[in-house]
Amino acid sequence: GDSVTQMEGPVTLSEEAFLTINCTYTATGYPSLFWYVQYPGEGLQLLLKATKADDKGSNKGFEATYRKETTSFHLEKGSVQVSDSAVYFCALTDYGQNFVFGPGTRLSVLP
Amino acid sequence: EPEVTQTPSHQVTQMGQEVILRCVPISNHLYFYWYRQILGQKVEFLVSFYNNEISEKSEIFDDQFSVERPDGSNFTLKIRSTKLEDSAMYFCASSADKNYGYTFGSGTRLTVV
Repeated sequence: GDSVTQMEGPVTLSEEAFLTINCTYTATGYPSLFWYVQYPGEGLQLLLKATKADDKGSNKGFEATYRKETTSFHLEKGSVQVSDSAVYFCALTDYGQNFVFGPGTRLSVLP
Repeated sequence: EPEVTQTPSHQVTQMGQEVILRCVPISNHLYFYWYRQILGQKVEFLVSFYNNEISEKSEIFDDQFSVERPDGSNFTLKIRSTKLEDSAMYFCASSADKNYGYTFGSGTRLTVV
């Protein structure tokens, strides 16, 4: 079945550092890819998405590019803030199928 | 921006008791879901619901679970006889198009004691 793999956390960075959270996937079809964020004590929020190869999703300074050749959708941000501290989930949905989430990566940003 | 609303935000229940978790999906959405997240673990699919019936369910969604859309707005998850291992955050989600992205509620934290 479809699956999503994320880099192990936790990731600890200083404010203004560059962030990369790796995400790779396996899917039988041609999935849409998503990043969700979960702030402490809150629910899941859609951060960004991409529905076809080479699409770049972006939001709040975060970006991820759908790379079909490497089956990847890595999340990046040029300069993280303390308020970015959260758990980040990579996810996919193959058309007609339900969402499959990665295990999540906890990010802690220190002032 | 439209929201998915879940109530209560936190529920504590005794083992063996029945609980009902409530969700109000976005009004023009057609697909409804329940997911759960055991503390510190991954988000797991429980069930999807479309056109007033279950369209898919996971192995987790056994006979102690049921879902219902009792009226035009609510979507409920019932756990008939709770176990300690049912303690988790339960997320409701809805979507207009399965390939577009879900809108999640803020979750109900269920604690079984």
